[in-house]
Amino acid sequence: EDKVVQSPLSLVVHEGDTVTLNCSYEVTNFRSLLWYKQEKKAPTFLFMLTSSGIEKKSGRLSSILDKKELFSILNITATQTGDSAVYLCAVDFLPSTGGGNKLTFGTGTQLKVEL
Amino acid sequence: GAVVSQHPSRVICKSGTSVKIECRSLDFQATTMFWYRQFPKQSLMLMATSNEGSKATYEQGVEKDKFLINHASLTLSTLTVTSAHPEDSSFYICSAREIDREFLYFFGQGTRLTVV
Repeated sequence: EDKVVQSPLSLVVHEGDTVTLNCSYEVTNFRSLLWYKQEKKAPTFLFMLTSSGIEKKSGRLSSILDKKELFSILNITATQTGDSAVYLCAVDFLPSTGGGNKLTFGTGTQLKVEL
Repeated sequence: GAVVSQHPSRVICKSGTSVKIECRSLDFQATTMFWYRQFPKQSLMLMATSNEGSKATYEQGVEKDKFLINHASLTLSTLTVTSAHPEDSSFYICSAREIDREFLYFFGQGTRLTVV
């Protein structure tokens, strides 16, 4: 069964801390792994990863993929209260049952950054 | 950047009535659109995949007669929740994929449905 698992499920940190969010996956015909940030509404795109070992960076956020061990991490340094959100990991894959490629989402990590 | 507009953002309806949610790609053509459902504190669950001009493909456990999906044009897909019940109350999100960029998914703003 195709699945994406994130950990931890929730996390509370203080401003300035660094956090690492984990995402492991097991899918057929992997195409890419995507990270999203979700506050109150729809997810907003953060990163798309297709190759192992190449770090993607955007400001205080960075992410890397390991296709051998089937996982990715999302790092946030110097956290701020505005980083409080649910972080979703999704994998774009081609199902063995046919049809086109699609996304399957992990459970999400609820991050709360306190003053 | 590509924009997906979902309407309405919030709707309250009575049990037994039907509700239609629209998903439009504003500045690109979307051959494929996806409909997700999200319960509080849970992740997005794919309900169905709709391809322009053909029948939608539903995920296991999703009732196709209850959640009617129409993708009549390259810029519009609709989800109709028929004979709504309180347990259908949820956050529904659509996503669209561009013809020439099949690796990019763009999300609508979501629709909060409350059935009373």
